[in-house]
Amino acid sequence: EAGVAQSPRYKIIEKRQSVAFWCNPISGHATLYWYQQILGQGPKLLIQFQNNGVVDDSQLPKDRFSAERLKGVDSTLKIQPAKLEDSAVYLCASSLDSSGVYNEQFFGPGTRLTVL
Amino acid sequence: DAKTTQPPSMDCAEGRAANLPCNHSTISGNEYVYWYRQIHSQGPQYIIHGLKNNETNEMASLIITEDRKSSTLILPHATLRDTAVYYCIARSSPGTGKLIFGQGTTLQVKP
Repeated sequence: EAGVAQSPRYKIIEKRQSVAFWCNPISGHATLYWYQQILGQGPKLLIQFQNNGVVDDSQLPKDRFSAERLKGVDSTLKIQPAKLEDSAVYLCASSLDSSGVYNEQFFGPGTRLTVL
Repeated sequence: DAKTTQPPSMDCAEGRAANLPCNHSTISGNEYVYWYRQIHSQGPQYIIHGLKNNETNEMASLIITEDRKSSTLILPHATLRDTAVYYCIARSSPGTGKLIFGQGTTLQVKP
C-alpha cells in the first residue's frame, strides 16, 4: 500500500515570502494531521482534519498559517508571510479514523523548510 | 492527556535487549500508552500500544506496571537500524486521536 506522500521535500525561502506544502494521505484514511517539528523537539500538532472538517486547530498560528482539505482527500498547508522561527520539518500523517483505540498514524517523510 | 517523562538518551549494544523506560504517573484510566519511533530524516513510525496488560508484536514488547504509572518498551535484539528517537505518549480513547510528543529518548545502538 502506498504511504503518505508529501511535496516538496525541501524548501528554502526568505522571510516574509509565502510557501505551500502538499500532502496526499493513504487512500481511505479519514483523518489527516499536520505537525510541525522544530530541530531537537518532538512533533507538534498544528491541525487535524476529519474528512474535510477541522477537528483541532488550536495550535495553528492562524494569522499566518492556513490549511485546507478539499474533498476530504489531499491537503495543503500554507504559510504567509513566513518568519525565521517557521524553519522546521512539516509532517503530514493520516489514520483510518481518530476515535478508535487502534489509531495508528502513518507519517509522510516531511518537508524541511528553511526561512532565511 | 497525561505527561510522560523519558530519559534523553540511552546506549545499547547490538544484539542485546534495549529497555526504554517511561514514567506516566498521572495517567488516567482511559489513557493508553503508545510508542512511536523516529529514525533520522524520516517521519515517526508506530511501534506498539497498551492499556494495562503487557503487549507484544513483531517489533517490540510493552511492559506496563500494575499501577500503570510507568512502562518499558523492550526491543529484544537491537540492531543498528533501531537507532532512533523513541517517543512514549499517553493518549485518551475515545478521543480526538491527537498525539502529544515529548522530547523522547535517543537510542544509540552500537556495534
